[in-house]
Amino acid sequence: AQSVTQLGSHVSVSEGALVLLRCNYSSSVPPYLFWYVQYPNQGLQLLLKYTSAATLVKGINGFEAEFKKSETSFHLTKPSAHMSDAAEYFCAVISSSGSARQLTFGSGTQLTVLP
Amino acid sequence: DSGVTQTPKHLITATGQRVTLRCSPRSGDLSVYWYQQSLDQGLQFLIQYYNGEERAKGNILERFSAQQFPDLHSELNLSSLELGDSALYFCASGHPSTYEQYFGPGTRLTVT
Repeated sequence: AQSVTQLGSHVSVSEGALVLLRCNYSSSVPPYLFWYVQYPNQGLQLLLKYTSAATLVKGINGFEAEFKKSETSFHLTKPSAHMSDAAEYFCAVISSSGSARQLTFGSGTQLTVLP
Repeated sequence: DSGVTQTPKHLITATGQRVTLRCSPRSGDLSVYWYQQSLDQGLQFLIQYYNGEERAKGNILERFSAQQFPDLHSELNLSSLELGDSALYFCASGHPSTYEQYFGPGTRLTVT
């Protein structure tokens, strides 16, 4: 079974500092990986996806993630944090068989941005 | 705005009752997925429908059922509700040619 592990349930950074949110995956097949963001009282918004093309994936709002097979990692980064980045971030892996697909999520990382 | 709509936004009901949550997918998407988000279980996949047929099943309780109608909207039925069913229920939709899933705003269910 495929799974993801997010290291650190809470991360705090200062405004303007580097954001690094960690995600490691476990998969017996090449994985399709995603990062989603959830703002308070809202649904999940897709930030970016890895689907076996380029290993460095750029997403919305200045975020990017690098797929590293040797480290089984898909960490999310942003060079300079903004107050509006404060939210919960979820890493997810998809299990797929034909048209059957389901996302398995990590436990989430709450990002706090300090002024 | 993802283009996925869910109604109602909030639902408060008593134990033992039955509720129906509704989801309309994005235009062109054939798949609808249901997820439950709770503090103790996190985000869990419940069930997927593709063009009216059940395609994948996760940790969905027997008291819960879903269906997808010819116009592709979906309903999640929760019966014999228990306090532990209180959660956020999300619907997502996706196109068969891609792997992304786009989430609706969710329905917050409170069972008292």
